Amino acid sequence: RKEVEQDPGPFNVPEGATVAFNCTYSNSASQSFFWYRQDCRKEPKLLMSVYSSGNEDGRFTAQLNRASQYISLLIRDSKLSDSATYLCVVNKAGTGRRALTFGSGTRLQVQP
Amino acid sequence: NAGVTQTPKFRVLKTGQSMTLLCAQDMNHEYMYWYRQDPGMGLRLIHYSVGEGTTAKGEVPDGYNVSRLKKQNFLLGLESAAPSQTSVYFCASSYRSQGALKETQYFGPGTRLLVL
Repeated sequence: RKEVEQDPGPFNVPEGATVAFNCTYSNSASQSFFWYRQDCRKEPKLLMSVYSSGNEDGRFTAQLNRASQYISLLIRDSKLSDSATYLCVVNKAGTGRRALTFGSGTRLQVQP
Repeated sequence: NAGVTQTPKFRVLKTGQSMTLLCAQDMNHEYMYWYRQDPGMGLRLIHYSVGEGTTAKGEVPDGYNVSRLKKQNFLLGLESAAPSQTSVYFCASSYRSQGALKETQYFGPGTRLLVL
């Protein structure tokens, strides 16, 4: 089982739609959670951290469910510029080293 | 600030050749990392460094060596390249943080390596 699992997609949605991605992680000791965004052939960039109580940043809302070990990202009012791959990222807890585990990403394509 | 830079951007090697990838950051970050990204597999950590003069293995270290002689630079070496090392290599850096690892990793633009 992968440490971080995501549906690869692609999710094809029209402009203005609401879309949600889920991600599951296997290490129950993980403490830090993030969503990164990666444009085609570019480097990953932090989209937002995910806090236990859930958090919002403009059109983006992230939720964490520790009991079920999943993280979600909701994008409202999708824009063409949201087209990208969204990476779910979890810290490697319990290994004594500072490292992150990246999911393989969910691809979003927003259509005009 | 340039952030994190990587050289070269693209390279083609023959099997058995060696090369060094250079990563530089101007943000005074303590931590630096080398990842590889392959289709369908996400980023995998090769080696990392928690400070000048220190390095440690990640999850896929075989076939690679690293050095951190200066705080701002992190070098990744391939001594004898193999086709399985064809990949996109990303360098990243981050601040040292206390407690929970709520650190942001800043990535370089990547190096595309093709080993024939």
